[in-house]
Amino acid sequence: EAGVTQFPSHSVIEKGQTVTLRCDPISGHDNLYWYRRVMGKEIKFLLHFVKESKQDESGMPNNRFLAERTGGTYSTLKVQPAELEDSGVYFCASSQDLVSLRGQFFGPGTRLTVL
Amino acid sequence: KNQVEQSPQSLIILEGKNCTLQCNYTVSPFSNLRWYKQDTGRGPVSLTIMTFSENTKSNGRYTATLDADTKQSSLHITASQLSDSASYICVVSGGSQGNLIFGKGTKLSVKP
Repeated sequence: EAGVTQFPSHSVIEKGQTVTLRCDPISGHDNLYWYRRVMGKEIKFLLHFVKESKQDESGMPNNRFLAERTGGTYSTLKVQPAELEDSGVYFCASSQDLVSLRGQFFGPGTRLTVL
Repeated sequence: KNQVEQSPQSLIILEGKNCTLQCNYTVSPFSNLRWYKQDTGRGPVSLTIMTFSENTKSNGRYTATLDADTKQSSLHITASQLSDSASYICVVSGGSQGNLIFGKGTKLSVKP
């Protein structure tokens, strides 16, 4: 079974530029989550998709972040324009259902550096 | 405020030794508690998941305990191996939406 994949693995951009991160969940997983880990802090929830619908986006930091999941398959997270404080590791996770005892399966993350 | 606190922040042990990592949480409502292992440069991988009614769960050399009354959990690693070197993250699911609240993790280093 293929795991959650994320692209790119690393991205270095300048302040003010735009970056788009992609996540491909495990096939058949309706639930897709985005998380972020800023250096020195814990991983924090950003948002949750159920299929193509945003179930909860309470963790999105501001309107510079836009997440989409057209067709309910892969998802993108766009940061526009990027700021220095957006640097961190962005994780995507997917699960078959909300209370899956197998938990959420995480991708390897995208390390974003904003200079 | 929903929080998950872990201790110690980091730990160094010799190969073959046992260790115990601690997790305290103040998350309400509580759904379940998970321990994840995160190798450097990789995403977190689930080790155990426990619901309110469970107080212990094992996965090989990993044994997690949960005391829902005191809101404490521990992860015990037996006969440590070099490959156990990683960050161990305690995660609490705090609501019906399945959102996860993460601790900062304990960085474990197993030395030969």
